[in-house]
This record gives sequence, C-alpha cells and structure tokens, in this order.
Amino acid sequence: AQSVTQPDIHITVSEGASLELRCNYSYGATPYLFWYVQSPGQGLQLLLKYFSGDTLVQGIKGFEAEFKRSQSSFNLRKPSVHWSDAAEYFCSSASKIIFGSGTRLSIRP
Amino acid sequence: NAGVTQTPKFQVLKTGQSMTLQCAQDMNHEYMSWYRQDPGMGLRLIHYSVGAGITDQGEVPNGYNVSRSTTEDFPLRLLSAAPSQTSVYFCASSRLAGTDTQYFGPGTRLTVL
Repeated sequence: AQSVTQPDIHITVSEGASLELRCNYSYGATPYLFWYVQSPGQGLQLLLKYFSGDTLVQGIKGFEAEFKRSQSSFNLRKPSVHWSDAAEYFCSSASKIIFGSGTRLSIRP
Repeated sequence: NAGVTQTPKFQVLKTGQSMTLQCAQDMNHEYMSWYRQDPGMGLRLIHYSVGAGITDQGEVPNGYNVSRSTTEDFPLRLLSAAPSQTSVYFCASSRLAGTDTQYFGPGTRLTVL
C-alpha cells in the first residue's frame, strides 16, 4: 500500500543551525510530493511541492527539499533556522492524498 | 478572498448528539476534502468530493456523512457523536484532485464527552 513516513516525531535544533526533516514514500510511479507547515492552532500551509523536473525544489521561508528516487525520499532542509520556524511539518503524497504523521520542530535559543 | 472558512472553531458535544461542521471556499475549487488530525497520526482523510454532487469515502469515513450541493460548500455531519470522534477537523480545497496544492481552513476542535 502507498505510504508516507516521517521517522522523526520531534526534533530540536538551535537557532541558526541547519535543519533536515526526513520523509520517505512508497509509491511505484513518480509521486506528487508536498511539504506543509502547521503553526500552533492553525491550519496547514504549503511550503513547497515536487511534481517533476528539477529534483531540488525551493519553497517559501527559505526551505528547500530534494527528491531522491533511489532513496524514496523527499527531505526538507533549511540552512539556518529561526525561532519562528518552530511548528509541525507534514510531508504529503498527493497521488493518493496521504499525509505523514508529522515532525514537531522545536528551536533552542 | 477569504479562502477556506470553517465554523465553528470549537464545539463540545455529548455522546449521541448530532452536529454539522461547516466548510466553505471562495476559490471555485472543484476538489474539497475533510481530514481529522489526532496526535501522532497526522491527517487522515474522512470524505472528499471532486465536484458538486459527487462525494466519496476516504480512509476513516465511519460515523460521518457529507454532501456537496454547491461548489462552494462541503459540510461534514456527525450523526451520533462518539468520544472517539474527539479530534481537530480540517477542511481543504484544491483546484484539482490529487496533484494540486491544498488550501486548508483553520480547523474545528471538537470534544465529545
């Protein structure tokens, strides 16, 4: 069955440090992949998406993600996190509209 | 342009009561969906609609009904609320199903006692 897995439930990084959030998918064909962010008490907002073409995609708020077919991964990265990045992050496969269980990001001052 | 709106923001029900969660979008999106969000489980699809008059079940449809009489509105009905339905509910819409960005409402936090 198709699935999206986010192996890290909670990550804490220091402000200014780099960040990588992991996402693995299982799907036969090239999936449509998304990263969403959810701030406390809010709905989800799109950060970036991958459909085809260049495997490194840029998103809002300085985030980027790289699609790696060989590793079935679509990891989210940011070179330097800000305190305002503290939120929950969801990876999603739109091919069958499946969401991962989310990764909660905390920022250490 | 309000995007996706949901009412109410908070609701407390007693077991067995019924209620309707409202969702509306003003972007002329064909695709609308309802999710529930529970701790550690991400978002799970309850029901979705690919256009007015067309609805289908998602991953966790039991205990919920939907209808889509207009493009704009997609209400979610709980026929007989159960404590297991305590959750945060999100409505979302997109231009197309499956391949398009979803726009989410602010959510409804429902508690069933």
